[in-house]
Amino acid sequence: DTAVSQTPKYLVTQMGNDKSIKCEQNLGHDTMYWYKQDSKKFLKIMFSYNNKELIINETVPNRFSPKSPDKAHLNLHINSLELGDSAVYFCASSQDLDRGTDTQYFGPGTRLTVL
Amino acid sequence: DAKTTQPTSMDCAEGRAANLPCNHSTISGNEYVYWYRQIHSQGPQYIIHGLKNNETNEMASLIITEDRKSSTLILPHATLRDTAVYYCIVKVTGNQFYFGTGTSLTVIP
Repeated sequence: DTAVSQTPKYLVTQMGNDKSIKCEQNLGHDTMYWYKQDSKKFLKIMFSYNNKELIINETVPNRFSPKSPDKAHLNLHINSLELGDSAVYFCASSQDLDRGTDTQYFGPGTRLTVL
Repeated sequence: DAKTTQPTSMDCAEGRAANLPCNHSTISGNEYVYWYRQIHSQGPQYIIHGLKNNETNEMASLIITEDRKSSTLILPHATLRDTAVYYCIVKVTGNQFYFGTGTSLTVIP
């Protein structure tokens, strides 16, 4: 069983479109994350979210929004896509921080290409 | 969280031990040392973490110096599949993971 899964694996779309990337984890974790890895391979946190709190990296445009239908899912919605949004997006999850560890487990990534 | 310094790249012969160093001279007492790796654009993979004591699991060993200012990740018998970028991260539980540039390890046949 895949612990953290993402769909789609590849996403090619036109500028201005709205798209979503789905993430699911079957680890029973309480916190989920979205990361962006750009063409220079820098991996940066975008959001962390649990049922108590959403923490947003202040550099993330408000065109990006995480949506969590339940504890096992955290989807990423992107409105009005721009060329600079092209990147690989990774979802991750970790146990509740109150348990003293927050080792994160990552999904396989979604490669987004905006034309 | 404390900053880390890693060599940009390293080579290792297949079957030999790969020793990846990390300097974290400004580490504070409640900061853990984590190691992750990323194999060719796959999702980062957790390897090991520790606070003070040396740690070992099925993937690797983590050696932390007594003053905690540096650590070494040891892959005991490197294989070609261990070719990846290895990230050393120092952080307090609850803070975000900051992935720097890491060490690009190439295992040579």
